[in-house]
Amino acid sequence: EPEVTQTPSHQVTQMGQEVILRCVPISNHLYFYWYRQILGQKVEFLVSFYNNEISEKSEIFDDQFSVERPDGSNFTLKIRSTKLEDSAMYFCASSVLGGRGEAEQFFGPGTRLTVL
Amino acid sequence: AQSVTQLDSHVSVSEGTPVLLRCNYSSSYSPSLFWYVQHPNKGLQLLLKYTSAATLVKGINGFEAEFKKSETSFHLTKPSAHMSDAAEYFCVVTPEGSSNTGKLIFGQGTTLQVKP
Repeated sequence: EPEVTQTPSHQVTQMGQEVILRCVPISNHLYFYWYRQILGQKVEFLVSFYNNEISEKSEIFDDQFSVERPDGSNFTLKIRSTKLEDSAMYFCASSVLGGRGEAEQFFGPGTRLTVL
Repeated sequence: AQSVTQLDSHVSVSEGTPVLLRCNYSSSYSPSLFWYVQHPNKGLQLLLKYTSAATLVKGINGFEAEFKKSETSFHLTKPSAHMSDAAEYFCVVTPEGSSNTGKLIFGQGTTLQVKP
């Protein structure tokens, strides 16, 4: 069964360093998402991406964040200069279609980012 | 703004007994609502979704949920818990309005413990 994969499963970095979280969505999916969950808090939407551009982003997704689909298979989230408060579990998701309740989003297992 | 509130952060049941995970939503319109489950070290998996068709929605693994507009609730139930049901459960809503990016809004999550 096709699944979304994410690497690495755990990333430890120093404050101020750049990190790139990688995701491989399901191959025929067209919509891509990043969410994050700070320990003990809700899963929060970060960004949606379609047709090589951002469809929507949350207020969390500031200039320190960027997304890219560099090669038609990977979908990456870059944090340019990490802060302590970026420590969280980051989930990638993909769907065949977008829209309200139109299609199931398939989630990856997450990358746990720890910023020291 | 849309939101969901999961009324219990932790629910413990014995194997073979019924499961009830409670969710209330806040929305001015008839929303699209979902339940996702997350097993340890796995991605979030869709259990079921409500998109203004039948108010009683059946999902995978014997779970079902009933949309009650008068109570603004979307509680998740299962007649008989199995050990493999032990996981984190999330009630999720999609935003109102014309945006069709597929953004999901998550509740806080309920941890289901199943005792032998």
